[in-house]
Amino acid sequence: QSVLTQPPSVSGAPGQRVTISCAGSSTNIGANYDVHWYQQFPRKAPKLLIYNNNIRPSGVPDRFTGSKSGTSASLAITGLQTEDEAEYYCQSYDSRLSGYVVFGGGTKLTVL
Amino acid sequence: QLELQESDSGLLRPSQTLSLTCTVSGASINKGGYSWSWIRQPPGKTLEWIGYIYHTGDTFYNPSLKSRVTMSVDRSKIRFSLKLNSITAADTAKYYCARGVEPSDSFDVWGQGAVVTVSS
Repeated sequence: QSVLTQPPSVSGAPGQRVTISCAGSSTNIGANYDVHWYQQFPRKAPKLLIYNNNIRPSGVPDRFTGSKSGTSASLAITGLQTEDEAEYYCQSYDSRLSGYVVFGGGTKLTVL
Repeated sequence: QLELQESDSGLLRPSQTLSLTCTVSGASINKGGYSWSWIRQPPGKTLEWIGYIYHTGDTFYNPSLKSRVTMSVDRSKIRFSLKLNSITAADTAKYYCARGVEPSDSFDVWGQGAVVTVSS
C-alpha cells in the first residue's frame, strides 16, 4: 500500500478534461513537501511531467497542470489526446523515520 | 545532453547480491545541486525509491531497504553503483537510475532500466 493514494484508473474521451488525485497526509504533502508527477508508457522509463507542484519542464504541453492543496495534489489534463493514454505517478517526500522519497500507486489513464 | 545507462544484471538466485552500475554521460556527477538515485518497479506495480547518493559520497536510503543497500560513486565520477544483498523473489523488478534535482528531489533524467529477476 503506497504512502500516497491515487485512483487506480481514470478515463475520458478525446478533448475532455480529466483529473488525477494524489492523497497524502501531514507527514508528506501536508508537511509542505513538493509534489511531482510522472508519465510512464508501457516498458518505458517514467518521464517528469510536473515538478514542484505546478511547474512544467520544457517540452511538456500546457494541457498538463499540477496543483496542491492541504494534504493532497492533483494533475489535470485538458484537451485529452489518445497519446496521453499512460500510467501517471505522483511523488513527494515523507518525513517519517529518517525521511524518504515516496510515490503514489499510479493511475492508468484510458482515452476512450 | 545527460544520459544514464544501467548495467545488465539479469537472473539472480535468492540470497545472492544484486549489483548494478549506472554510467553517466553528458554531465558530471560532481556537479552540485543533484542527487543520484536508484528506483525500482516490480512487474505491474508502482515505483519504489531505493536511495540516493551525492557526489560527496553521502547516502540516503529507503528505511525499508536500508539494512540491505549500499550505494557508491566511483572516483571517475561518471558511475554510481547499487548493491542489494540477501535478495529474494520480492526484489524482482526493473531497476532505474535517475538524477534528482535538489532540494525537492524531482527526478528529471532516467535511465532506460535494467530488468532483474530473482528465481531459484
